[in-house]
Amino acid sequence: DGGITQSPKYLFRKEGQNVTLSCEQNLNHDAMYWYRQDPGQGLRLIYYSQIVNDFQKGDIAEGYSVSREKKESFPLTVTSAQKNPTAFYLCASLGTYTEAFFGQGTRLTVV
Amino acid sequence: QKEVEQNSGPLSVPEGAIASLNCTYSDRGSQSFFWYRQYSGKSPELIMFIYSNGDKEDGRFTAQLNKASQYVSLLIRDSQPSDSATYLCAVKGSASKIIFGSGTRLSIRP
Repeated sequence: DGGITQSPKYLFRKEGQNVTLSCEQNLNHDAMYWYRQDPGQGLRLIYYSQIVNDFQKGDIAEGYSVSREKKESFPLTVTSAQKNPTAFYLCASLGTYTEAFFGQGTRLTVV
Repeated sequence: QKEVEQNSGPLSVPEGAIASLNCTYSDRGSQSFFWYRQYSGKSPELIMFIYSNGDKEDGRFTAQLNKASQYVSLLIRDSQPSDSATYLCAVKGSASKIIFGSGTRLSIRP
């Protein structure tokens, strides 16, 4: 059945290492989003994409990169330039006249 | 000014009462408005979405939108302990950008 899948659920990153978080959807949605959530805080927009091969920076894009080569996939790379990456990362997709559906999230920890 | 603002709470409401959650937004071109519920450590789940001015009811939940005042609210009737969570207001503005408020913590006391 349709949905949005994030993997892995838990991820550990060493200092100076790049890591990539996966987000896949089979809802045929055009728009996809990445958010970061810190403890006790709301969701902050990192990047979003309206169509394949196009994406825009959100409010906190520094230290992150994305790609949108396929409609179904919107991976997020947390680069070594992101100095405080420990957070809960949420991916969402949006259809026309529907709500944004969320994946189950990836909890990233720097070790 | 934040793009989407909510009172952080906590908002404490007795069981069976009405909980009222409020949200204001700055982008007058905003098109769609969403309320999500989030339990600790979990992903947000949709409660309601609304596009047009006025009220929209779904069971115990009513969303109210006033575009002229740039205000959206969520009413929860007959509040239950299971309604205790953080409620996130989200606004879709121009170019499909969706911005969330910082959330309101709701606590339903027995």
